[in-house]
Amino acid sequence: AQKVTQAQTEISVVEKEDVTLDCVYETRDTTYYLFWYKQPPSGELVFLIRRNSFDEQNEISGRYSWNFQKSTSSFNFTITASQVVDSAVYFCALSEPISNFGNEKLTFGTGTRLTIIP
Amino acid sequence: NAGVTQTPKFQVLKTGQSMTLQCAQDMNHEYMSWYRQDPGMGLRLIHYSVGAGITDQGEVPNGYNVSRSTTEDFPLRLLSAAPSQTSVYFCASSYAGLAGGYNEQFFGPGTRLTVL
Repeated sequence: AQKVTQAQTEISVVEKEDVTLDCVYETRDTTYYLFWYKQPPSGELVFLIRRNSFDEQNEISGRYSWNFQKSTSSFNFTITASQVVDSAVYFCALSEPISNFGNEKLTFGTGTRLTIIP
Repeated sequence: NAGVTQTPKFQVLKTGQSMTLQCAQDMNHEYMSWYRQDPGMGLRLIHYSVGAGITDQGEVPNGYNVSRSTTEDFPLRLLSAAPSQTSVYFCASSYAGLAGGYNEQFFGPGTRLTVL
């Protein structure tokens, strides 16, 4: 069965510090996708990144970076120079085929609540 | 495009009452699904549909019914609400495509339901 583990329930850091959110996954599929979503206090889900299982290249987008390591089944997310607006719950998710039509079910981790202290 | 819309945004029910959570999308997506979000549990799949007239159960289907009569709409029905169904409900949609590829899921804004 698929599983996503976000061991860090809550993290607090002072503004401008760097912070890494951990994500470890389990799957038997050889092709899968990994995701990070942000859920700000307003409650909506904001898509951050999708990564194909065949692409282990790290990605950087502004202050955000992602480290995908298949050998350790991890897909960690780092925020550099954190800001108060980064305060949110962050979810890591793993895709699983659910039909023959290319549709996927997302298995979510339990989320990490990140608080940036001004 | 409005994307994925959900109504109502908030709802309070008494135990035993029934209600329907509405979900609509205007992107002509074949695939639609319902998730619930509970504290400490992440999001879990309730039901999904790969097209009009086709629905199937997800991870936590008990207590919920769905139907898909049109491509645009995918309502979620609670026949007899229970306190355990207090949760935030998200609807999502995507295109159907080739197996092995990925079709990005678009999430609605959520419905916060409280059952007393």
